[in-house]
Parts: sequence; structure tokens; C-alpha cells
Amino acid sequence: GIQVEQSPPDLILQEGANSTLRCNFSDSVNNLQWFHQNPWGQLINLFYIPSGTKQNGRLSATTVATERYSLLYISSSQTTDSGVYFCATCEEGNNDMRFGAGTRLTVKP
Amino acid sequence: NAGVMQNPRHLVRRRGQEARLRCSPMKGHSHVYWYRQLPEEGLKFMVYLQKENIIDESGMPKERFSAEFPKEGPSILRIQQVVRGDSAAYFCASSPRMTGTQYHSGANVLTFGAGSRLTVL
Repeated sequence: GIQVEQSPPDLILQEGANSTLRCNFSDSVNNLQWFHQNPWGQLINLFYIPSGTKQNGRLSATTVATERYSLLYISSSQTTDSGVYFCATCEEGNNDMRFGAGTRLTVKP
Repeated sequence: NAGVMQNPRHLVRRRGQEARLRCSPMKGHSHVYWYRQLPEEGLKFMVYLQKENIIDESGMPKERFSAEFPKEGPSILRIQQVVRGDSAAYFCASSPRMTGTQYHSGANVLTFGAGSRLTVL
């Protein structure tokens, strides 16, 4: 099955800093989503982005499907951005979204 | 429009008891997925269901675990004779369409519930 790798595994930032999270996947995909799991465990969908670029406030994401990677950009980070960011994807015709191991982000005031 | 509703949020069971976790998908969503998250790990797919049908249970342990999505009512994940290793967060997700088919409208986007945290003593 498809392999999903995320980097870095951990990231510590000062409030106001920018960051880039990366997701590499091993095969062509029909679905790619970025999620934020907050400290209370809730999973929030950030982007549905199997290809192209999207922006939502301080967050943006880009997926280059031909090169099999996706990037999540966080600008002017805030303490509420802390948590774990997951990339999940699945192949055409498949049912199970495969999750990466996540990037644990800590934003310090 | 309520999101994906899971209950109970927290469940404590002793070894050997049964655990039942319930999930009501978002209105208009006919595809339901269950995932398990062990502490400090990512989510692992367990099973994919549509109304009255199990479509893909390739991620389900072969014994003690079962899932259903009846014509009426919520989807249920059932764990019989629980063991300590079953302690985890169990997440349910739903989507309007199957996740593996690309839709420009994003109709295959997964929306997750808040999860049910099972603790086995």
C-alpha cells in the first residue's frame, strides 16, 4: 500500500515564526488531506488538496502530485497552532486513508 | 448541520468486558470509516462501511472486533472481551463519497468525530 512520510517529526517555534511541514507519498493519489489534531485530541480538516495550492488565512498548502509531495505552510504562528499535523492520502479506488506519523508542533509565547 | 457524532467520549472497561462505540455520520454522508489511534501514534484504518454493508474491513483485527452500519441508527464498533492493548482513541469519519475517487468538489473529504477514548483496566 501507499507509504506516507512526514517531516520534521517535531518542531518548536516562537510565536510569530513561519514554518513548512512536508508530506511525501509513494504513489499517485486521488485524495490528500491535512489535519490538525489539537491538544484535546480533536481532528480538524485543514485542506483537501490532491493537487495545486490553497490558502486559508495564515495557512496554505501545496501539493505537487507528479513529484509526490505536499507542503503545509504556517505563517505568523500562534500558540493555538500547537498540536499534531497529519497528512493523509489514499490511492485511486482505495478506501483507507493512510496517515503519516505526524509533525508535533509546539509554539511558545 | 451537526458534525460526526461519537459516543461515548470516554469509556472504561475491565478486561473481558465488551465495548460498544457509536457513530452518527454527518447528514447526507453515507460512507463511514473507523480509525484507531494508539498513544503518540498516527491513525490506522480499521473498516469502511456503507448502510447495511461492510465494504472494506482489511484493517480490523480478525478476532473480537466487529462493525455494523444498520439501515436505521448509528454505526457501531464492537469490541468483545477487551484487553489492555485495546486501550486507544477510536475515531469515526464520514464522507459523501468514497475517499479513493477524486472529486473536484471535494465530495470525498473525510470529516472526523471527536473520538471515543477507551481505557481497559
